[in-house]
Amino acid sequence: SAVISQKPSRDICQRGTSLTIQCQVDSQVTMMFWYRQQPGQSLTLIATANQGSEATYESGFVIDKFPISRPNLTFSTLTVSNMSPEDSSIYLCSVNRHNEQFFGPGTRLTVL
Amino acid sequence: GENVEQHPSTLSVQEGDSAVIKCTYSDSASNYFPWYKQELGKRPQLIIDIRSNVGEKKDQRIAVTLNKTAKHFSLHITETQPEDSAVYFCAAVSGGYQKVTFGTGTKLQVIP
Repeated sequence: SAVISQKPSRDICQRGTSLTIQCQVDSQVTMMFWYRQQPGQSLTLIATANQGSEATYESGFVIDKFPISRPNLTFSTLTVSNMSPEDSSIYLCSVNRHNEQFFGPGTRLTVL
Repeated sequence: GENVEQHPSTLSVQEGDSAVIKCTYSDSASNYFPWYKQELGKRPQLIIDIRSNVGEKKDQRIAVTLNKTAKHFSLHITETQPEDSAVYFCAAVSGGYQKVTFGTGTKLQVIP
């Protein structure tokens, strides 16, 4: 299995501000994935973060809104920029190890 | 890209009865099909998976079947128990990219 931690676990933010979410994995991985789970919904992939290159964003997600850093093989950050209430969601990072996908505990974001 | 449809969206069964959740996928390149259970406020947890070279897999009360020709796969839970109550997500994963596309989820309620 993979041990994944995220910070913060939850936050309440004002609209127009930004929040950076951190994800730490217990061992090196090539790709780290960021997902969003809106209330009562499924998980949607935001982007894939590779170390040493720009993240690859899925349709409907852009770098200006969700900038991602991947400074090394065990760490990544996702920033939710210029937040609005529609950004209220759970954000989860994820890694694949031995063809199995593991998820972090998630960051529950509420935007007022 | 991949599209995964999941039915039903909600399912109520009496304790001891069976539950079946069905999914279809669109991308013939998908070759790995995991199922996740998500309890309220928790991260998705892998409960069983199946690969494209296998038609059926069973683990105690849980079984999955895969029909690659029809692009269908299903989760079967027998002798359901109240602790099986949760949201279940099917998913499809394509080859080396490791990208996981989730179904829309099924909220299973097991009535004691």
